[in-house]
Amino acid sequence: AQSVAQPEDQVNVAEGNPLTVKCTYSVSGNPYLFWYVQYPNRGLQFLLKYITGDNLVKGSYGFEAEFNKSQTSFHLKKPSALVSDSALYFCAVRDIGGNTPLVFGKGTRLSVIA
Amino acid sequence: DAGVIQSPRHEVTEMGQEVTLRCKPISGHNSLFWYRQTMMRGLELLIYFNNNVPIDDSGMPEDRFSAKMPNASFSTLKIQPSEPRDSAVYFCASRGRGRDISNQPQHFGDGTRLSIL
Repeated sequence: AQSVAQPEDQVNVAEGNPLTVKCTYSVSGNPYLFWYVQYPNRGLQFLLKYITGDNLVKGSYGFEAEFNKSQTSFHLKKPSALVSDSALYFCAVRDIGGNTPLVFGKGTRLSVIA
Repeated sequence: DAGVIQSPRHEVTEMGQEVTLRCKPISGHNSLFWYRQTMMRGLELLIYFNNNVPIDDSGMPEDRFSAKMPNASFSTLKIQPSEPRDSAVYFCASRGRGRDISNQPQHFGDGTRLSIL
């Protein structure tokens, strides 16, 4: 069975500071990992994915995520947070070769304070 | 390139009424997913289709809920009769083909906010 854990319901960070949103996963084989962002009154928007290769993946809006197989983690990062980054962030996983829906975490609400 | 289109964006109706939510997936996508989002339970997968065929409807909460996909460009989620506890935001998502379908992201519509009075 696949699962995702986002241990923090809420993350607060000051504008200009680096941000990290944590995600750990569990799959039976090798994972494909995804991050999504949801702004108010909008659907989830795809940010980035890890398939294979370089463990550091770069995505939209200056976000990046680091895949760590030994720690089964895929934390989302940004070097300098913007107020406009305030939103709900979801991590998701699927087994490689699986033709099933993504399994989503519960989401982490990021608040960037000016 | 048009994304996933859902209608209506907002629906307010009285309990007992039939509600129909509509979704147009991205052209060429062959998988479609219906989700429900609430504060209490977060994002829940209700049902998904591959090539217009329902694959897993185990997330549909009750027999009052039904979903159809008559063709590759249209799907409906119906609630009959509706109840106040069905109030939520309902999302549709689609996923495209590719050499490796498992690494394709799901693309979401902006949802239908449903309020049952």
